[in-house]
Amino acid sequence: DIQMTQSPSSLSASLGGKVTITCKASQDINKDIAWYQHKPGKGPRLLIHYTSTLQPGIPSRFSGSGSGRDYSFSISNLEPEDIATYYCLQYNNLYTFGGGTKLEIK
Amino acid sequence: QVQLQQSGAELARPGASVKVSCKASGYTFSSYTMHWVKQRPGQGLEWIGYINPSSGYTNYNQKFKDKATLTADKSSSTAYMQLSSLTSEDSAVYYCARGYGYPAWFAYWGQGTLVTVSA
Repeated sequence: DIQMTQSPSSLSASLGGKVTITCKASQDINKDIAWYQHKPGKGPRLLIHYTSTLQPGIPSRFSGSGSGRDYSFSISNLEPEDIATYYCLQYNNLYTFGGGTKLEIK
Repeated sequence: QVQLQQSGAELARPGASVKVSCKASGYTFSSYTMHWVKQRPGQGLEWIGYINPSSGYTNYNQKFKDKATLTADKSSSTAYMQLSSLTSEDSAVYYCARGYGYPAWFAYWGQGTLVTVSA
């Protein structure tokens, strides 16, 4: 089974600032990673798939990069509506989520 | 537009079973896999398994193979997940999510169904 180590587990940033979340896979996942935004009481929302492909309607403030075992996800120009928990998901070999990152605004 | 409408909250006794539904609309139901994901209170997301509605083929996370049973009814475009021999560890929000692409990622999600196991 592929393990996904996501960090940090929580972070706090200022409005207008930038944050970066990382996910490290236990083996090469060939860029098969997606990123989700999850708010309480709702289903997760797909932001990015295949490492860096932005979903239609998702602002370009969200971005992803990486290869092999190491991947990152960034949000720039933080807005109040970005408060949520973010998860990575590897789908190269079955499915494994990262542990999640809870984003708060300072 | 794609919508996944899940059934309402369930309260079940320990040892009982519960069946959660996920009604799909806005696309051809048989054309995409349907996945199920668990989230325990204060915890992260965990993949349970998926079903191919066209063939009925299922693939489970080994952790859930004796806990969850996935089925699909093409005539009503509805996917189901039955959880058996419930314990407090099964108290969680369960989501259905539609696959897309190959290999598939989860493109659309239901709103979640809260299952509470309590005597």
